[in-house]
Amino acid sequence: GENVEQHPSTLSVQEGDSAVIKCTYSDSASNYFPWYKQELGKGPQLIIDIRSNVGEKKDQRIAVTLNKTAKHFSLHITETQPEDSAVYFCAAAIYNQGGKLIFGQGTELSVKP
Amino acid sequence: GAVVSQHPSRVICKSGTSVKIECRSLDFQATTMFWYRQFPKQSLMLMATSNEGSKATYEQGVEKDKFLINHASLTLSTLTVTSAHPEDSSFYICSACLLLAGRNTDTQYFGPGTRLTVL
Repeated sequence: GENVEQHPSTLSVQEGDSAVIKCTYSDSASNYFPWYKQELGKGPQLIIDIRSNVGEKKDQRIAVTLNKTAKHFSLHITETQPEDSAVYFCAAAIYNQGGKLIFGQGTELSVKP
Repeated sequence: GAVVSQHPSRVICKSGTSVKIECRSLDFQATTMFWYRQFPKQSLMLMATSNEGSKATYEQGVEKDKFLINHASLTLSTLTVTSAHPEDSSFYICSACLLLAGRNTDTQYFGPGTRLTVL
């Protein structure tokens, strides 16, 4: 079955710097890759997703890149702000396979003012 | 749009009692909902897939008689933890798969979670 590895487990950056979180997946059939932000005591919030027919997607300060050949995808946050501090999860799924998401281990991002 | 609610947000119960958690999609329909549990500082672990009008599909190692799931309508799924014990204490989160034009999309929206503490 699918396995998703996420790195780093913790990331500390200064406000205004960029943050990059990387994930690798094992099943080449996976074709949907969402990213979620989870604040303490809350449920995950979808922040961006990408499908395998594109290599990059951007939404304001957030971007995701996908390398299907290498089976890895990354989240890029530019101009980080203290409110970006949270745990970020990547996930992978196979479209039309019941929607089951396989999550990475999570990255705790801390943005220092 | 795409809001999922859970009720209750917190529950404390005595060992041996049963607890029901509701998951509702507020502004969209969902034939498929998912139930996860999450321990502190860990990732989300999928427990089961809830399908409207049919039996839930449980992940390996999850006891179906312990965690009863009912998905009676396109906007409501319930998880009942039966005969709860302290080891069942966890953060339970549901998600709903957006239904568009009669088909499931990839997109899952998560509820805010329910913190269960069993004494």
